[in-house]
Amino acid sequence: TQLLEQSPQFLSIQEGENLTVYCNSSSVFSSLQWYRQEPGEGPVLLVTVVTGGEVKKLKRLTFQFGDARKDSSLHITAAQPGDTGLYLCAGAQDYQLIWGAGTKLIIKP
Amino acid sequence: KAGVTQTPRYLIKTRGQQVTLSCSPISGHRSVSWYQQTPGQGLQFLFEYFSETQRNKGNFPGRFSGRQFSNSRSEMNVSTLELGDSALYLCASSLASGLSGEKLFFGSGTQLSVL
Repeated sequence: TQLLEQSPQFLSIQEGENLTVYCNSSSVFSSLQWYRQEPGEGPVLLVTVVTGGEVKKLKRLTFQFGDARKDSSLHITAAQPGDTGLYLCAGAQDYQLIWGAGTKLIIKP
Repeated sequence: KAGVTQTPRYLIKTRGQQVTLSCSPISGHRSVSWYQQTPGQGLQFLFEYFSETQRNKGNFPGRFSGRQFSNSRSEMNVSTLELGDSALYLCASSLASGLSGEKLFFGSGTQLSVL
């Protein structure tokens, strides 16, 4: 069974702090996506990374795909209350989409 | 452009009943995927439909079924409901297969409670 492990499962920090969320697997993915889900809504795609070592930035969010395409990280700089939500990663492999269990992030004002 | 529409938004059923959930994808999208989400479990893939054909199925019992119509709208049905079926059911549409890393557009989901 392929697994995509996300850590931490839960993170509660103060506004203005930095944080990193990890998504790890022993399997190689052709691409990896990060989604954010707010309460009562469906997930919304933030970014897709495809190339090993790729770094993508979305305002204060920085996404990195591991060199071996087995892991990824999401770094948020100066977190804002609007960043609160459930962050999900999903890896594409052999016509399957493997989902992590998510990181619940709470940013306190 | 309208997003993915799921109906109903909330549903309360009792054990043993059956339920049908509906999903209207974004116009022009031919792929519809269904997911079950429970706290701490992430998204569990149910099945994917493309042009009215089921292309892939997750590891769920036969009580879970679905179909897609010629206008790409999709329905999923759960028969003989069990307490463990209580979950948020999400539908996602995409241009091509949602299992190949294609961007997925999710609806707001149907929150099903089984009493």
